[in-house]
Amino acid sequence: QLQLQESGPGLVKASETLSLTCTVSGGSISSNGYYWGWIRQPPGKGLEWIGSVYYSGSTFYNPSLKSRVTMSVDTSKNRLSLKLTSVTAADTAVYYCAGARVDFWSGKHHFLDPWGQGTLVTVSS
Amino acid sequence: QSALTQPASVSGSPGQSITISCSGTRSDVGTYNLVSWYQRKAGEAPKLMIYEVTRRPSGVSNRFSGSKSGNTASLTISGLQAEDEADYYCCSYAGSIAVIFGGGTKLTVL
Repeated sequence: QLQLQESGPGLVKASETLSLTCTVSGGSISSNGYYWGWIRQPPGKGLEWIGSVYYSGSTFYNPSLKSRVTMSVDTSKNRLSLKLTSVTAADTAVYYCAGARVDFWSGKHHFLDPWGQGTLVTVSS
Repeated sequence: QSALTQPASVSGSPGQSITISCSGTRSDVGTYNLVSWYQRKAGEAPKLMIYEVTRRPSGVSNRFSGSKSGNTASLTISGLQAEDEADYYCCSYAGSIAVIFGGGTKLTVL
């Protein structure tokens, strides 16, 4: 049974880069057909999809965040990473990683499963 | 892309049925049968409850069901139980490589 665990600094200074890691256990991050996604939830707001990455490096990003986001996969460590540059207070959120069932060629996202428990990142001024 | 619209809260008594709506547009819910629903309990990871509008993952109770009409998707929970109390989020593929969520609905079991 796949399990995901997010990790990284809980506090990031404004204008700097937010970096998070998600470790996958109970299965291979290189599993066929499985993308890996990042989702966030700012305090008091709804969920926001950040993007999804395949183990080969293929990515899909939320157009509203695309200019600041980089996602990658380290197959040797069975983990994925998220980098978000030039953060502001609006990037304060609980960040989740999740498995994503995605059509490789069309990019159609079917569902996100499983999810990690999430990690809170606060951007300070 | 705008977020999908869900009621902020719904409530019901044990044994009753409740329905949570998820309103979108022709660009997302109305076009794609790629609506999913997630349950999130305090301190736990979100859990997939319904995918592709009506499909239920293995292990999810058959008391949970999904449907869609036009631009609105719905999650129905029948035989409400105390353990169903949680936040529920809908999600839809929205074309142009975009995924959007609803604002979430807090379900209270009275």
